[in-house]
Amino acid sequence: KQEVTQIPAALSVPEGENLVLNCSFTDSAIYNLQWFRQDPGKGLTSLLLIQSSQREQTSGRLNASLDKSSGRSTLYIAASQPGDSATYLCAVVWGAQKLVFGQGTRLTINP
Amino acid sequence: DAGITQSPRHKVTETGTPVTLRCHQTENHRYMYWYRQDPGHGLRLIHYSYGVKDTDKGEVSDGYSVSRSKTEDFLLTLESATSSQTSVYFCAISGQNTGELFFGEGSRLTVL
Repeated sequence: KQEVTQIPAALSVPEGENLVLNCSFTDSAIYNLQWFRQDPGKGLTSLLLIQSSQREQTSGRLNASLDKSSGRSTLYIAASQPGDSATYLCAVVWGAQKLVFGQGTRLTINP
Repeated sequence: DAGITQSPRHKVTETGTPVTLRCHQTENHRYMYWYRQDPGHGLRLIHYSYGVKDTDKGEVSDGYSVSRSKTEDFLLTLESATSSQTSVYFCAISGQNTGELFFGEGSRLTVL
């Protein structure tokens, strides 16, 4: 069964720190991997999309990496800010529009 | 932001009544999806569509039906709502080229 796991479920860090969120997945034959942000009561906002042929993607203070052989992706957030507080979700596509979400990591940045 | 509109955004209904949620897109994307999000279960795919009149089941399709008569509209119907269908429902769209997924703001459904 194709599964996506995000650990830890929750993370709290002081403002200004650099941090890494983890996503692991079974079955390395992925089509792409996408990171989302979700604020309470809101929809999901796409942050970064990594195609299976890519190793990383960057957008501003965010950098996402992909290592298919080890079944892992990381989302690096530089110089964290209180506005970064949200739940971050990883989703993996294995083809035929089959997308599986992780449970998410709830991130709190303390001022 | 991707042009995705969900309606209604909030609905309270009683067990046994039919409910239809609507997703409207202005992006002309081929693929459209309905997900539900529940504590402890995360996001789960209900149904998806890969074109007008072309739909397929997701992992939690029982009790739900969908229709897509136009590219821009994807309807999710609960023929006879049950309390277990109380949830937040999200519509999503993706284009064929990159497969990047974009979500609507969600529809919160409460079945009493």
